[in-house]
Amino acid sequence: GQSLEQPSEVTAVEGAIVQINCTYQTSGFYGLSWYQQHDGGAPTFLSYNALDGLEETGRFSSFLSRSDSYGYLLLQELQMKDSASYFCAVVGGYQKVTFGTGTKLQVIP
Amino acid sequence: NAGVTQTPKFQVLKTGQSMTLQCAQDMNHNSMYWYRQDPGMGLRLIYYSASEGTTDKGEVPNGYNVSRLNKREFSLRLESAAPSQTSVYFCASYSGTSNEQFFGPGTRLTVL
Repeated sequence: GQSLEQPSEVTAVEGAIVQINCTYQTSGFYGLSWYQQHDGGAPTFLSYNALDGLEETGRFSSFLSRSDSYGYLLLQELQMKDSASYFCAVVGGYQKVTFGTGTKLQVIP
Repeated sequence: NAGVTQTPKFQVLKTGQSMTLQCAQDMNHNSMYWYRQDPGMGLRLIYYSASEGTTDKGEVPNGYNVSRLNKREFSLRLESAAPSQTSVYFCASYSGTSNEQFFGPGTRLTVL
């Protein structure tokens, strides 16, 4: 089976940088994804890492270490609109996608 | 492109009633999924389908059945609804090109 662990809540100041960690245990692994979900909305895709290293997309970056079964999402220049829940997800064989329990990010002025 | 569509958006059932949640995607994706999300929780995989004609159980399949009708459509059926199935249900499809899941708007189901 698969299990993913993330912190349940994180609070950060507008304009700051925040890192959301994800550790996973899985029987099959192709990549690690990150999704954002605002209250009442559907998840939306942020990033995907198949190989070790850092992927950057604007203010968001995502990192993966396959040997450590660990990844993180880095959000820079935080804005109030970044207040949302963030989920890591493992992509396994046959494109089975399993989500973590999510991290609720609160951005404060 | 409509993306992923789900019907209905809201539904209230009584315990023991049955219903089918419909999902369709117009992006020609092979893989489709059904998740449930309880308040303040993550998404739990109910069933998924890696291709037309195949379905596999996820983490929480009990009480549900699915049908991959064709490449576009993937339905979820509750045969005898229970209050524990009160949740928000999301359908999704997966792009093997961008490794991105696309989600529908969700169905908010309440079982009384």
